[in-house]
Amino acid sequence: AQSVTQLDSQVPVFEEAPVELRCNYSSSVSVYLFWYVQYPNQGLQLLLKYLSGSTLVESINGFEAEFNKSQTSFHLRKPSVHISDTAEYFCAVSDPDSGGYQKVTFGTGTKLQVIP
Amino acid sequence: EAQVTQNPRYLITVTGKKLTVTCSQNMNHEYMSWYRQDPGLGLRQIYYSMNVEVTDKGDVPEGYKVSRKEKRNFPLILESPSPNQTSLYFCASSRDSPRYEQYFGPGTRLTVT
Repeated sequence: AQSVTQLDSQVPVFEEAPVELRCNYSSSVSVYLFWYVQYPNQGLQLLLKYLSGSTLVESINGFEAEFNKSQTSFHLRKPSVHISDTAEYFCAVSDPDSGGYQKVTFGTGTKLQVIP
Repeated sequence: EAQVTQNPRYLITVTGKKLTVTCSQNMNHEYMSWYRQDPGLGLRQIYYSMNVEVTDKGDVPEGYKVSRKEKRNFPLILESPSPNQTSLYFCASSRDSPRYEQYFGPGTRLTVT
């Protein structure tokens, strides 16, 4: 069965500092990988995704993630965070070997707290 | 406005009293899914549907039922709720599979006493 590990449940960081949120997934030949963000009292929104092609994917608000097949990782980074980035971030995987691409497994989430 | 709606948003009920949480999307999406969110466990997929009359189990289907009689609606049914089903529930939809962006509803907070 597919699995996703987000080791950090909370990450505090000062405003304008860089941040990395870690995500590792169980290995498969090919997977789809996603980062979703949940602002307080809201549903989730897609931040970025990797399906194929370039291993570096970017979002419109300055986040980026790199697909690393050898390390089975998909870490999320931002060079300079803003107060408005305070939210919970979920990594997710869709794996053809586990129920096809129709099943999605989410990680346990990382709460990013940006400190003024 | 493209959206996923869920009703009710909040529900407190008692053990064993059947309930239905409705989910509707106005984007003509083929794929719909239900998740539950619990502290420390993240989101776990309950059921998903790839099209009308096509549904399948996610990772935690026990105690839940779903149906997909119309493309836009995907209700979640708890025939005999128990306290361990107290959770925050999200419905989501996407074009034809989750490789496309999933659009999430606002959530339904369910408490079973």
